[in-house]
Amino acid sequence: DIQMTQSPSSLSASVGDRVTITCRASQSISSYLNWYQQKPGKAPKVVIHVASTLQSGVPSRFSGSGSGTDFTLTISSLQPEDFATYYCQQSFSTPFTFGQGTKLQIK
Amino acid sequence: QVQLQESGPGLVKPSETLSLTCTVSGGSISNYYWNWIRQPPGKGLEWIGSIYYSGSTNSNPSLRSRVTISVDTSKNRFSLKLNSVTAADTAVYYCARGAIPGATGLYNWFDPWGQGTLVTVSS
Repeated sequence: DIQMTQSPSSLSASVGDRVTITCRASQSISSYLNWYQQKPGKAPKVVIHVASTLQSGVPSRFSGSGSGTDFTLTISSLQPEDFATYYCQQSFSTPFTFGQGTKLQIK
Repeated sequence: QVQLQESGPGLVKPSETLSLTCTVSGGSISNYYWNWIRQPPGKGLEWIGSIYYSGSTNSNPSLRSRVTISVDTSKNRFSLKLNSVTAADTAVYYCARGAIPGATGLYNWFDPWGQGTLVTVSS
């Protein structure tokens, strides 16, 4: 199985801050890396797919980059609705696997 | 717009079989991969398995011996059976579509998702 490791596991930030979350794969996954946002009691929703493609309807303050084993999700200017848990997920091979999550909290 | 809705018992006894159905509305089940994903309370996400509308399946090796996924195209729905459950199978179970249609489930992402259903394993 491909292991996905996110850092940090939690992050405190303020509205307007720029934040970056990192995801590392245990082997190369090319660009087949997706990012999901999950709010309490809700299903995850995709924000970035194939490493850097912004999902339709997602604000442009979200961006993704990386390839191979190292990836980042950046939110350029945090808004109140962005405080949530973020998961990376690889779709390069089965079993599809997720990172452990990064909880983004208000400072 | 496609919507997914999970249904099934919220409580299952240990050693019994967990059975869930995901009904797809607003679109056809054809030409897509359909997935089951679970999340234990307070924990992360685990992919359980997937099924193509034609019936071909793939599942997580960690669960493969206990998992059966099936599809009913006439009713636009697919199902999950997980047998010999224990307390470790307590989780919110989500169904989700592979976003891109086609003959491979790889290089895809999950969109949309159902709202999820909590299944508790307890006597």
